Amino acid sequence: AQKITQTQPGMFVQEKEAVTLDCTYDTSDQSYGLFWYKQPSSGEMIFLIYQGSYDEQNATEGRYSLNFQKARKSANLVISASQLGDSAMYFCAMVFRDQGGKLIFGQGTELSVKP
Amino acid sequence: GAVVSQHPSWVICKSGTSVKIECRSLDFQATTMFWYRQFPKQSLMLMATSNEGSKATYEQGVEKDKFLINHASLTLSTLTVTSAHPEDSSFYICSASDRGGGVYEQYFGPGTRLTVT
Repeated sequence: AQKITQTQPGMFVQEKEAVTLDCTYDTSDQSYGLFWYKQPSSGEMIFLIYQGSYDEQNATEGRYSLNFQKARKSANLVISASQLGDSAMYFCAMVFRDQGGKLIFGQGTELSVKP
Repeated sequence: GAVVSQHPSWVICKSGTSVKIECRSLDFQATTMFWYRQFPKQSLMLMATSNEGSKATYEQGVEKDKFLINHASLTLSTLTVTSAHPEDSSFYICSASDRGGGVYEQYFGPGTRLTVT
């Protein structure tokens, strides 16, 4: 069965510090993709970063980086230099090429950045 | 580029009535659109996948006669909640993937908050 797990319902981080949000997944497929999305209180889903299962380098996008450990089936999101505007829900999601592109989401982590 | 809109952004309706939610890709052709449902403090749950010109594929446990999906063109998909009840109150989000991108390209609409009284 394909499953995404985020074990941290809520996280706190001090402004300007780095934070790691955990994501593990379970699949026997070799071809898949991993996403991280941010969802502020407005509800919109904001794409942050993507990692393909065959990508050898960890993905980075500005202050976001994805710590991809394929053997451990983990895809943790690292946010550096946290800002107050980073306070939101964060979802890890997985997509499979042979399933028409549909996303399977983790439970989400609510991040609160303290001033 | 790659903008997806939803209309309405919020709607309140009475129990027993039907509500239609539109999802439009504004600057690209969406061969596939996805409809998700999200309850407060919970994750997104995929309801159905719709491909232009064909019947939608519903996820297990989603009533196809209650949640009618029509993907009539490459830029428009609609979700109609028929005979709505208070338990249908939720946040509905659509996403769309384009013909030119890879299978992993998917763009989200801003969502529609439905409240059934």
